[in-house]
Amino acid sequence: NAGVTQTPKFRVLKTGQSMTLLCAQDMNHEYMYWYRQDPGMGLRLIHYSVGEGTTAKGEVPDGYNVSRLKKQNFLLGLESAAPSQTSVYFCAIRRDGEETQYFGPGTRLLVL
Amino acid sequence: QQQVKQSPQSLIVQKGGIPIINCAYENTAFDYFPWYQQFPGKGPALLIAIRPDVSEKKEGRFTISFNKSAKQFSLHIMDSQPGDSATYFCAAGSGGYNKLIFGAGTRLAVHP
Repeated sequence: NAGVTQTPKFRVLKTGQSMTLLCAQDMNHEYMYWYRQDPGMGLRLIHYSVGEGTTAKGEVPDGYNVSRLKKQNFLLGLESAAPSQTSVYFCAIRRDGEETQYFGPGTRLLVL
Repeated sequence: QQQVKQSPQSLIVQKGGIPIINCAYENTAFDYFPWYQQFPGKGPALLIAIRPDVSEKKEGRFTISFNKSAKQFSLHIMDSQPGDSATYFCAAGSGGYNKLIFGAGTRLAVHP
């Protein structure tokens, strides 16, 4: 998965609990993205970052927060999980000046 | 509002057949059109991509056809193999941040 790791691989949460998903890269790419994948809906962009210390909203940012304190790490936080956030979450990275996004292996999240 | 419409949802072909997956977009600002392949339990991986200044691009057995006036593009898989069985996503992007809008996906099964 092109030097992208995601932690954890799988997690079960109860409604209202919080958690943080970690995306780590060893490619030194500038751009990092968080997507969620739901059946019949493809992948939808949650938040993205164009560099260390910067973040921006994507298509479906509500209920999520992100941080990129270090260039190699992009964190996705759920402050108060809801069943609607049950999904598979993918992180992607991209080198500045290139177009290809490289995806991590995903984190499967179940909110009960 | 889904900006990239993909069809069919699922497709079954025999080995050696030529599955065709179609996508249509709305936003004329899109200038990058990738196709991603995803195997179960894995992250999507770039298969092939095209820009609107060409009408066709081939890479091995995979071909993208692009019709700018109709705002449509399609993926053809020549001499399909059982190993091509996967979910395929089209996407569209634009601008320096290259935020991708994905289609809903097509699940392809190639029978021996």
